[in-house]
Amino acid sequence: QVQLVESGGGVVQPGRSLRLSCVASGFSFGSYTMYWVRQAPGQGLEWVADISSDGMITHQSDSVKGRVTVSRDNSKRSLYLQLNSLRPEDTAVYYCVRDLRGGYSHVYAYWGQGTEVTASS
Amino acid sequence: QSALTQPPSASGSPGQSVTISCTGTSSDVGGYNFVSWYQQHPGKAPTLIIYDVRERASGVPDRFSASKSGNTASLTVSGLQPEDEADYFCSSYAGNNNNVFGTGTKVTVL
Repeated sequence: QVQLVESGGGVVQPGRSLRLSCVASGFSFGSYTMYWVRQAPGQGLEWVADISSDGMITHQSDSVKGRVTVSRDNSKRSLYLQLNSLRPEDTAVYYCVRDLRGGYSHVYAYWGQGTEVTASS
Repeated sequence: QSALTQPPSASGSPGQSVTISCTGTSSDVGGYNFVSWYQQHPGKAPTLIIYDVRERASGVPDRFSASKSGNTASLTVSGLQPEDEADYFCSSYAGNNNNVFGTGTKVTVL
């Protein structure tokens, strides 16, 4: 079955950086667009970034543009999110998510358990 | 991009139906047939229940149905069961490689 396991979260001072990872199993990782979606405490969901199946195309939301880099290593079945210049408002659970279909449908079909990021001094 | 508008809460007794609205604009909900719905139980990751406006995800019971009219999408849960008590979020493609979620609705089974 599809499994997505995130790691790398933690408590970080504002202005610092953090790299999140997600390891996938149970499907052909290199065939799917992948997303990062976050959820601030007690709040709703927010699409953060995505990357095409081959890693050549990426997009970021306006709220993080210029501060995040999404990447993947298909040989390692892994997805990454580099968060720079962290702000208190970046505090959230970050989910690694797989698209339902092979392309960019923004249908978030499979979710990891999430990794918690807290930007606080 | 502003979040789609959902009512904060909805409720119904077991066996009843509840309908949740999701209101956007012509730039998102009204402009594309790419509306999805997600269910989230406390402390858990969301799960996909509806995609492409009205298509049920694999394994989702037919008690869940959805539709769209203009800039508003709707999710109906019929024959409410205790396990349906959860938060529900809508989502829509918003063009230019952007996606927007709804504000979320907490469904309570009385």
